[in-house]
Amino acid sequence: KAGVTQTPRYLIKTRGQQVTLSCSPISGHRSVSWYQQTPGQGLQFLFEYFSETQRNKGNFPGRFSGRQFSNSRSEMNVSTLELGDSALYLCASSPDLGRANYGYTFGSGTRLTVV
Amino acid sequence: DQQVKQNSPSLSVQEGRISILNCDYTNSMFDYFLWYKKYPAEGPTFLISISSIKDKNEDGRFTVFLNKSAKHLSLHIVPSQPGDSAVYFCAAIPYSGGGADGLTFGKGTHLIIQP
Repeated sequence: KAGVTQTPRYLIKTRGQQVTLSCSPISGHRSVSWYQQTPGQGLQFLFEYFSETQRNKGNFPGRFSGRQFSNSRSEMNVSTLELGDSALYLCASSPDLGRANYGYTFGSGTRLTVV
Repeated sequence: DQQVKQNSPSLSVQEGRISILNCDYTNSMFDYFLWYKKYPAEGPTFLISISSIKDKNEDGRFTVFLNKSAKHLSLHIVPSQPGDSAVYFCAAIPYSGGGADGLTFGKGTHLIIQP
């Protein structure tokens, strides 16, 4: 069974640009959530998608957005990049929404560097 | 304010001995707790979880203990092996939240197993 696939693995962008990251969940998983990991703040919840709808959002500015497609694949977008957006962006998939006992499986992440 | 705290950034343990990783939380709404292990350049890997209706859960060499009154949980690894060297994250979520609040993570403890 294939795991959670995130592309690209590494990305370098310039301040002010925008970026789109992609996540393919485990087959059959319908929930996809995104997390940002930085040395200072640790792992922080960005948002979660289920049935193509954003179900909840963490404490991030509106420059961070996402979407989910009918096949459960998800993308997140960051507009007007800032240096502080440099981080490891992790995607996690889960079979269902809001049921932690089903588990969250993480991908290997996309390392974004903003210069 | 950090709702999940791992106060030891690092821990060094001899191979074969017990490793004890600690985690404290402040949010009374949390009722499901998870431990993840993370190697560099990889996503977190799920280890073990516990619901607030239990005070202990075992899985092989890993045991998680929950003290609800103290809002404290710990992960015991017995015996510790070199492959256990990694960063360990404690995470919490309101299980019955319905909507997806996302996992709230501690900042991690770097476990180093000495040969």
